[in-house]
Amino acid sequence: QVQLVQSGAEVKKPGASVKVSCKASGYTFTSYYINWVRQAPGQGLEWMGWISAYNGNTNYAQKLQGRVTMTTDTSTSTAYMDLRSLRSDDTAVYYCARIQTPYRVNDYWGQGTLVTVSS
Amino acid sequence: EIVLTQSPGTLSLSPGERATLSCRASQSVSSSYLAWYQQKPGQAPRLLIYGASSRATGIPDRFSGSGSGTDFTLTISRLEPEDFAVYYCQQYGSFFGQGTKLEIK
Repeated sequence: QVQLVQSGAEVKKPGASVKVSCKASGYTFTSYYINWVRQAPGQGLEWMGWISAYNGNTNYAQKLQGRVTMTTDTSTSTAYMDLRSLRSDDTAVYYCARIQTPYRVNDYWGQGTLVTVSS
Repeated sequence: EIVLTQSPGTLSLSPGERATLSCRASQSVSSSYLAWYQQKPGQAPRLLIYGASSRATGIPDRFSGSGSGTDFTLTISRLEPEDFAVYYCQQYGSFFGQGTKLEIK
């Protein structure tokens, strides 16, 4: 069965970086894109960007351009999201999700990773 | 950037009633790429509808989607207790609407 398992919760200070991992299993990793979505406490879903696990092509939300980098390691079927220069408003649950084509929907999701940014 | 606006922000209904949720796009979007998700507290979102009107695997037939162009609708024909949650629309696997909270009246 398809599973996306994310790394554990993180606490970071303002200005630091965080790297969240998302390990995929149960399907051919390189045949799909991975989306990253975050949700601040009590707020809605915010799309961060996606990465092709086939060729590493990325598309980031303009709001996060310059601070976010998404990568994959095909040898371990793992996607990574690196967010730099953290601020308090980056405190959120971060989700990875598989993108099903051709409809470009998120059919499987990770369990979420809470990132807390606090001094 | 296409902006999705959902209405109402909160919908208060009773079990057994019909729920109609709206998602309006700032410009025309392809129906193929309009999706709806359900999210319950402490859980990841769950895909309900893709291609504007197709139910995802395992989704009960009381959920239906419709619309085209800039106006899309999610309808829940007869609310069950487990349907009270927050619902989001999404276009092209990217931006989401701000959500509609469906609460028990």
